Amino acid sequence: GAVVSQHPSWVICKSGTSVKIECRSLDFQATTMFWYRQFPKQSLMLMATSNEGSKATYEQGVEKDKFLINHASLTLSTLTVTSAHPEDSSFYICSAGASEAFFGQGTRLTVV
Amino acid sequence: QKEVEQDPGPLSVPEGAIVSLNCTYSNSAFQYFMWYRQYSRKGPELLMYTYSSGNKEDGRFTAQVDKSSKYISLFIRDSQPSDSATYLCAMITAGNEKLTFGTGTRLTIIP
Repeated sequence: GAVVSQHPSWVICKSGTSVKIECRSLDFQATTMFWYRQFPKQSLMLMATSNEGSKATYEQGVEKDKFLINHASLTLSTLTVTSAHPEDSSFYICSAGASEAFFGQGTRLTVV
Repeated sequence: QKEVEQDPGPLSVPEGAIVSLNCTYSNSAFQYFMWYRQYSRKGPELLMYTYSSGNKEDGRFTAQVDKSSKYISLFIRDSQPSDSATYLCAMITAGNEKLTFGTGTRLTIIP
């Protein structure tokens, strides 16, 4: 099946710094990728839809200035958590591929 | 009311038992139905993908869709401890790439 690679798998950062998470589709081109956030023992919450060559579409309640998304090529989307705070600590997951969405391995972000 | 309802569990069954996981949905526009398995601290892994009413079998897994009742199921036969994970149902409307997830069911297979 298709492979989506996400990097890093975990990151610890200081409060106030920014963190960039990469999502790559390894064997197919993805004009659209999705970014999710998942809290412990909860389901995935869609944050935004990343569109290649255009602005991302954010879900209601998600701060677009806080969570910057860039989809510069057909195989790479990045999520930057700007000025991270402890409440941003979470598991972030990307996906790509229509219908049969394929997910990255996830990134565990801890802000201290 | 959520668009997709799924019992969060937890569900514990002995090894070798048949497991039944279920989701109901309210949006009749959903056309494609998926089941994902998610191990702790990992991304979801696609298990089954169906788009029509009826059964689809893949090894020990059977996905069942009943569009008239807006009900989908995943059956796991001969359950193994390695099947212990959270199982998420997801569905999508035609022409849309956004998935709508259930809350996930935490399953534990007891050796």
